[in-house]
Amino acid sequence: DSGVTQTPKHLITATGQRVTLRCSPRSGDLSVYWYQQSLDQGLQFLIQYYNGEERAKGNILERFSAQQFPDLHSELNLSSLELGDSALYFCASSPGQDLYNEQFFGPGTRLTVL
Amino acid sequence: AQRVTQPEKLLSVFKGAPVELKCNYSYSGSPELFWYVQYSRQRLQLLLRHISRESIKGFTADLNKGETSFHLKKPFAQEEDSAMYYCALDPGATNKLIFGTGTLLAVQP
Repeated sequence: DSGVTQTPKHLITATGQRVTLRCSPRSGDLSVYWYQQSLDQGLQFLIQYYNGEERAKGNILERFSAQQFPDLHSELNLSSLELGDSALYFCASSPGQDLYNEQFFGPGTRLTVL
Repeated sequence: AQRVTQPEKLLSVFKGAPVELKCNYSYSGSPELFWYVQYSRQRLQLLLRHISRESIKGFTADLNKGETSFHLKKPFAQEEDSAMYYCALDPGATNKLIFGTGTLLAVQP
């Protein structure tokens, strides 16, 4: 699959724990975006990285952090998890950082916090 | 505040009927607007974008700045159009897409 990949598909954990979600962008894409989709909030932009550097930030909680590595894969770290963090987390990638670059989405990671 | 509103959670139409999926936005500048679609068991994907003035799979969307709307239209719905549709706004060309909550389109045979 040459598209955006995300692991794991599902994650179940307990409150207070820490998890790491992983995203591999499409081959050649330099930008990675993270979104959170919860039942009551819809899809919300969290953060964007371009070629290893943070480019844009949305309403990302301080308990959440992300990074993009030299091989361009990205990780989203969620710590001190709360019940309300249960959601689908999507990663998207695009070739560059222009507006006109279409964002290609991954299949998502479903996080359940018990 | 920048916001995208899709007032209908579900829109059910019969095959061959016209479709209009509503999208209203709140943004004081010049908006860049998009429609994304998610078919069953598939990924979220771009359907069309305002700046391209394109028609994809028979769908069009016109930006109405006076009404702050970007409704998605298709004259004759097909069963394969059944999917979840999301309207999205990029305020100030920032790449920070703001999505609406989505409308599920169900096209009945």
